[in-house]
Amino acid sequence: NAGVMQNPRHLVRRRGQEARLRCSPMKGHSHVYWYRQLPEEGLKFMVYLQKENIIDESGMPKERFSAEFPKEGPSILRIQQVVRGDSAAYFCASHTGNSGNTIYFGEGSWLTVV
Amino acid sequence: GENVEQHPSTLSVQEGDSAVIKCTYSDSASNYFPWYKQELGKRPQLIIDIRSNVGEKKDQRIAVTLNKTAKHFSLHITETQPEDSAVYFCAASMGSSNTGKLIFGQGTTLQVKP
Repeated sequence: NAGVMQNPRHLVRRRGQEARLRCSPMKGHSHVYWYRQLPEEGLKFMVYLQKENIIDESGMPKERFSAEFPKEGPSILRIQQVVRGDSAAYFCASHTGNSGNTIYFGEGSWLTVV
Repeated sequence: GENVEQHPSTLSVQEGDSAVIKCTYSDSASNYFPWYKQELGKRPQLIIDIRSNVGEKKDQRIAVTLNKTAKHFSLHITETQPEDSAVYFCAASMGSSNTGKLIFGQGTTLQVKP
């Protein structure tokens, strides 16, 4: 759904640099999910956040990756010291938080590490 | 851990024929099963979903069936058209309480030949 906004759409980083990906959920949605899609693979859950809280980060790599969803502003997925294996599409999805509701994906951010 | 297996990985049909994609899941607590269509470079788009309290759901040319006992669900597309060509992903909710956290299958590349 076009209501989930992600930016940038495409990002190129050199190895060792930092990547910051932003996601604004649909209006009225207070729950945000980040998924990663490696080339020619399915999406893999990374992290689930509500405003000012990380609810579930069981899919996040242990190092270099972090996520936040501040009280004001978008959710941010931060990747420090990027490596070539981080090259992927990163999709954000939002949700109202009520069991039974559908999640809606943003258009994705394509990260290329050179 | 929880897993979703999807078959076939590629499927080629003639325009007008039917296409069937099958998925099995391992988490018996899963209660929400969406299907997504993804075109190259685009976000996954929800095309149909089914919840565990029903066995079948239909929306025009698309139908999904669910067998909770066997833990498998299938996508059926009838009267296929060239614009149905895309990658299709099945997914299952992780557990029963939150539909935003999904496990995805590996994807099926559907090619509809005119």
